[in-house]
Amino acid sequence: AQKITQTQPGMFVQEKEAVTLDCTYDTSDPSYGLFWYKQPSSGEMIFLIYQGSYDQQNATEGRYSLNFQKARKSANLVISASQLGDSAMYFCAMRAGNTPLVFGKGTRLSVIA
Amino acid sequence: GAGVSQTPSNKVTEKGKYVELRCDPISGHTALYWYRQSLGQGPEFLIYFQGTGAADDSGLPNDRFFAVRPEGSVSTLKIQRTERGDSAVYLCASSLARPGLAGYQETQYFGPGTRLLVL
Repeated sequence: AQKITQTQPGMFVQEKEAVTLDCTYDTSDPSYGLFWYKQPSSGEMIFLIYQGSYDQQNATEGRYSLNFQKARKSANLVISASQLGDSAMYFCAMRAGNTPLVFGKGTRLSVIA
Repeated sequence: GAGVSQTPSNKVTEKGKYVELRCDPISGHTALYWYRQSLGQGPEFLIYFQGTGAADDSGLPNDRFFAVRPEGSVSTLKIQRTERGDSAVYLCASSLARPGLAGYQETQYFGPGTRLLVL
């Protein structure tokens, strides 16, 4: 079965600092995709970044980058230069083979001025 | 362009009643998904449509839940004989390509959700 584990229920970061949100995954399928979503208090899930299992390089999207370590089955999200608007829930998700998208329990990030 | 839209944004109903939740996907997206999110949890998959047909309904919790997408665009999630445990946020998402096919193009884009409260 596919599984996503986010071990940090909550994280604090100072404004303008970088922060890493942890995500580990479990699948036996060699083909999979990893996704990170942001969910502000408004409730909408906002897509941030995608990493494919066969991608050779770590994905980057603006201030977001994904530290993909395939052998360790980890896909940590790095947010650089944190802003107050980054305060939200962050979800890691995976889709493997023909299975549906599976989400972790999320990490609540609070950015402090 | 317009994102995924969902109506209503909030729905309060009484136990035992019937409700319909609507989702309008991004234009051109062939795949449509429904999820349910309980407080403090990540979204949980309910059903996935490719075109008009339900390609995977393995996440529907029981036969009180049903969804349709008759013309391959708008979808309706229907819940019969609602129970208090059905209270949650129901999220809809769409993607350009079907899962497992095209990597980045299978990225799912979500709507704002419908908050359902069953009293």
